[in-house]
Amino acid sequence: GENVEQHPSTLSVQEGDSAVIKCTYSDSASNYFPWYKQELGKGPQLIIDIRSNVGEKKDQRIAVTLNKTAKHFSLHITETQPEDSAVYFCAASYGSGNTGKLIFGQGTTLQVKP
Amino acid sequence: KAGVTQTPRYLIKTRGQQVTLSCSPISGHRSVSWYQQTPGQGLQFLFEYFSETQRNKGNFPGRFSGRQFSNSRSEMNVSTLELGDSALYLCASSLRPTVGRGNEQFFGPGTRLTVL
Repeated sequence: GENVEQHPSTLSVQEGDSAVIKCTYSDSASNYFPWYKQELGKGPQLIIDIRSNVGEKKDQRIAVTLNKTAKHFSLHITETQPEDSAVYFCAASYGSGNTGKLIFGQGTTLQVKP
Repeated sequence: KAGVTQTPRYLIKTRGQQVTLSCSPISGHRSVSWYQQTPGQGLQFLFEYFSETQRNKGNFPGRFSGRQFSNSRSEMNVSTLELGDSALYLCASSLRPTVGRGNEQFFGPGTRLTVL
């Protein structure tokens, strides 16, 4: 079946610390894994994504790792800042991505304390 | 380049009524997907449209329907509203009806529907 598990549901860190959010997907055909950030009153914003033929990708303070064998992927935010506070969603393509459907995790509320 | 726009932003309806929500994709994008977001169920896929055709549908009752116009704008309709339909309805657009690098999905701000 199609399912994406995301942990933790809430995460509180001190400014400057790192934050890690983990997701597990069930569909072995999934090959595209985006991460979205949603701030209050706004729609989800794409922050980074990775395809299954890549194990790791980094963009400034944000990195994503993928372990396709274990069906795990993670978001790493280093040197967190108060403006990183938001809800983060992981997602996986439905099947091999031949459709616009994404399966989302339940979300992680990240709070960065100044 | 303008982003995805959704109208209206907020809507209050009563049980039994019907509602129509509108989505204008990013210019040049031809694929539109709709999602329902609730605190309990998270983000759930409703349906996807490309070239005025529904290509995929999520596990929602037939009260939920949609369509896409020749200019790629899309509407979704919910008939006989129930209390449980209260949610944020999000529209996402992409160039093509697939997902992946070079064809990312971009979300609009959503329409907040409250059913009383």
